[in-house]
Parts: sequence; structure tokens; C-alpha cells
Amino acid sequence: GENVEQHPSTLSVQEGDSAVIKCTYSDSASNYFPWYKQELGKRPQLIIDIRSNVGEKKDQRIAVTLNKTAKHFSLHITETQPEDSAVYFCAASNNGGNQFYFGTGTSLTVIP
Amino acid sequence: GAVVSQHPSWVICKSGTSVKIECRSLDFQATTMFWYRQFPKQSLMLMATSNEGSKATYEQGVEKDKFLINHASLTLSTLTVTSAHPEDSSFYICSAEPGGTNEKLFFGSGTQLSVL
Repeated sequence: GENVEQHPSTLSVQEGDSAVIKCTYSDSASNYFPWYKQELGKRPQLIIDIRSNVGEKKDQRIAVTLNKTAKHFSLHITETQPEDSAVYFCAASNNGGNQFYFGTGTSLTVIP
Repeated sequence: GAVVSQHPSWVICKSGTSVKIECRSLDFQATTMFWYRQFPKQSLMLMATSNEGSKATYEQGVEKDKFLINHASLTLSTLTVTSAHPEDSSFYICSAEPGGTNEKLFFGSGTQLSVL
């Protein structure tokens, strides 16, 4: 089955700096890669996603890149703000299996 | 966006009792729902995939007789933790997929289960 690895597990950045979180996956059949933000005690919220036919996607301060050959994808947050502090999860999924496999999570802290 | 409702949000029970958790898609039909378990400061661990009208698919290591899943309609899936024990204490969260075709996942608000 799919194995998703995520790094780093914790990340602290100064307000205004950029944050990058990286994930790798093992199943070449995976073709959908969402990123979720989870605040303490709350449900994960989808923040951005990318499909395998696209190499990069951007939504305001958030961007995701995908390298299918290397089987890795990354989340980029620019101009970080304290409210960006949360746990971020990457995930991988494929049409056939219809299952989502999550990375281990990254706890991001933005220092004011 | 789509809304997934999960109840209860918090439950405390005695060891040996059973607890039912409901997951409802409020404004869409979900042929597939997913159940996860999450320990503090850890990732979501997929327990099972719930398919409407058929048996759930359990992940390796998850006891199907322990965690009973029923997906009787296109808007409701239930997870019953049978004969709960303290080690079953955890945060359980469901998600649903509109259209069931690898679309975006929407999560319930989670259920914190504490077994005394």
C-alpha cells in the first residue's frame, strides 16, 4: 500500500518568513495530493490540493509543488502569520483505491 | 463547502460498554466515508473505508469485530466501538467524499472517546 512520509515534524519560523513542508509517497498510482491544516482539537481543513497532471498550484500565500518522477510534493507558505500556526498534514490518494493516506504531520509555529 | 456532521463530540463511558459514533454528510451524498483514529500530536490513522450498501474495508491491524461500521444510507455512516476498554480512548474522526470519485475530503468535527 501507499506510504507517505512528511518532514519536518516540527517547524518554527519568524513572522513574515516562509515555511516549507515536504512529503514523499511510494505508490506511483497516487494522483491526488491534498494538504490539510488542523488546529488543536478541531477538524482538519483542506487548504490546497494538487493533481498529478499539474506541477504547481498557488492560492495567495500558499503553494504546492509536485514532482511525480521523484514522488514528492511540498507545501510552501509565504509571509507567514501567527494564525498559520497549526499542524499540517499531507495526503496521497488514487482513484482506484479511493483511499487517502496521511503523512505524520508538521507542527508549525509562527513566532510574532 | 460541504458539511460533515459528527456526533457525539465527546463521550465518556465505562469499560465494557459500547459506543456509537455517527457521521453525516449534510448537503451531499457520500458513497464513501472514512474513519480515522488520532492520538495526541499524531497523524490521522485510517481505520476503515465505509462503503454505502456494502461491507466496510478495514486497514491491516484494525479489528472489524471491535470497530463495527455501518453505512446504511448515502448520508450516514456509524462507527460502534464494542466492549470499549481504556486503550480505545482516542480521538475518532470521520471524513466523506462528495461523489465518491476522488474529490475533496471533508472532515467531521471528531469524537473524543474516554473509556474509564
